[in-house]
Amino acid sequence: QKEVEQNSGPLSVPEGAIASLNCTYSDRGSQSFFWYRQYSGKSPELIMSIYSNGDKEDGRFTAQLNKASQYVSLLIRDSQPSDSATYLCAVNGGGKLIFGQGTELSVKP
Amino acid sequence: DTAVSQTPKYLVTQMGNDKSIKCEQNLGHDTMYWYKQDSKKFLKIMFSYNNKELIINETVPNRFSPKSPDKAHLNLHINSLELGDSAVYFCASSQEPHTGELFFGEGSRLTVL
Repeated sequence: QKEVEQNSGPLSVPEGAIASLNCTYSDRGSQSFFWYRQYSGKSPELIMSIYSNGDKEDGRFTAQLNKASQYVSLLIRDSQPSDSATYLCAVNGGGKLIFGQGTELSVKP
Repeated sequence: DTAVSQTPKYLVTQMGNDKSIKCEQNLGHDTMYWYKQDSKKFLKIMFSYNNKELIINETVPNRFSPKSPDKAHLNLHINSLELGDSAVYFCASSQEPHTGELFFGEGSRLTVL
């Protein structure tokens, strides 16, 4: 079983819609969770971090964490074509950042 | 001014050769990392140094040898390159160890023929 799992996609949404990206993790002791965005041919860039159960909002982005279900999600409201990228879920387990394989998001104008 | 810079950005080389990648960060961070991203975009940690001390050493062939001359620099030397070493190698830094808030360099794409 992979330590951090994401649907690889591609996930296609129309411009203006809500994009929902999901991630599950296997280490129940994990304490911190992150979403990175990676444009094609570029490096990963941190966009959200979440440390406690519930929702955390930052502009059009909302991260959701449910430790009991070992589930993290990222919602992108009012999706824009510029949001088209691969979104990497990352979990801090045992002092190491473990990444999922990423979900490719495509926002169609 | 680039925060985390890597050189070279592209390497194309033959199997069996040796190559090095250099990384420098000007963020004043204490911790630096090497990550490998394969063709399926899977990003996996290889090594981490905190203030020149090796703190994470994943199961990586010993053909890979990192070196940190000071806390702003981290190099990666690879001996006897194999086809499977083809990947993008990312350097990253963070303010402190064992955090998830990393700043990545632009990556070095290694192609082994």
